[in-house]
Amino acid sequence: KQEVTQIPAALSVPEGENLVLNCSFTDSAIYNLQWFRQDPGKGLTSLLLIQSSQREQTSGRLNASLDKSSGRSTLYIAASQPGDSATYLCAVSRNNRLAFGKGNQVVVIP
Amino acid sequence: AAGVIQSPRHLIKEKRETATLKCYPIPRHDTVYWYQQGPGQDPQFLISFYEKMQSDKGSIPDRFSAQQFSDYHSELNMSSLELGDSALYFCASSRAGKGLAGGQPNTGELFFGEGSRLTVL
Repeated sequence: KQEVTQIPAALSVPEGENLVLNCSFTDSAIYNLQWFRQDPGKGLTSLLLIQSSQREQTSGRLNASLDKSSGRSTLYIAASQPGDSATYLCAVSRNNRLAFGKGNQVVVIP
Repeated sequence: AAGVIQSPRHLIKEKRETATLKCYPIPRHDTVYWYQQGPGQDPQFLISFYEKMQSDKGSIPDRFSAQQFSDYHSELNMSSLELGDSALYFCASSRAGKGLAGGQPNTGELFFGEGSRLTVL
């Protein structure tokens, strides 16, 4: 069974600092990996999708890397803003289903 | 751009009652997924449909059933509700691509709805 772990579970950073969120997974036979953002009680917003053949994806201030062989992905958020405060979920895809981590809860302090 | 639409957004039921959740996927998406997220938990996969056929089944209780209709919308039916069924229920849709050997549908990018919050009293 795929196990997805996200470290740290929670972190607070001052505005302007770069955020580094880590995700690890136990089964490297994945189709893709997706990072989501979730605000309290809200839905999941897709941030980045990395196919298993890719090493990284970038969108604006967000950059996600994937090292499939070691079962790791990292989400970088540059120059964090208070609006980035949310929970970030990593999910790996195999056999038509996503396995989620428990998330990184981020607070950006103004 | 059109997103995944879920209804109702909130509902409150008594134990042993029945609830039905609806999901309207993004146009031209052929795959629908249902996930359950309990308080403080990560989303858990329940069931998925590809081209109106059940494609995968996860940790869905026998009391729950789901189907995808000819217009691609999906419904999740929950009967004999229990307190532990209180959760956020998410629907997601994607457009499947060609998979690896075997021709199995490959999960494309999933887009989630805002969720339906079920409270069982």
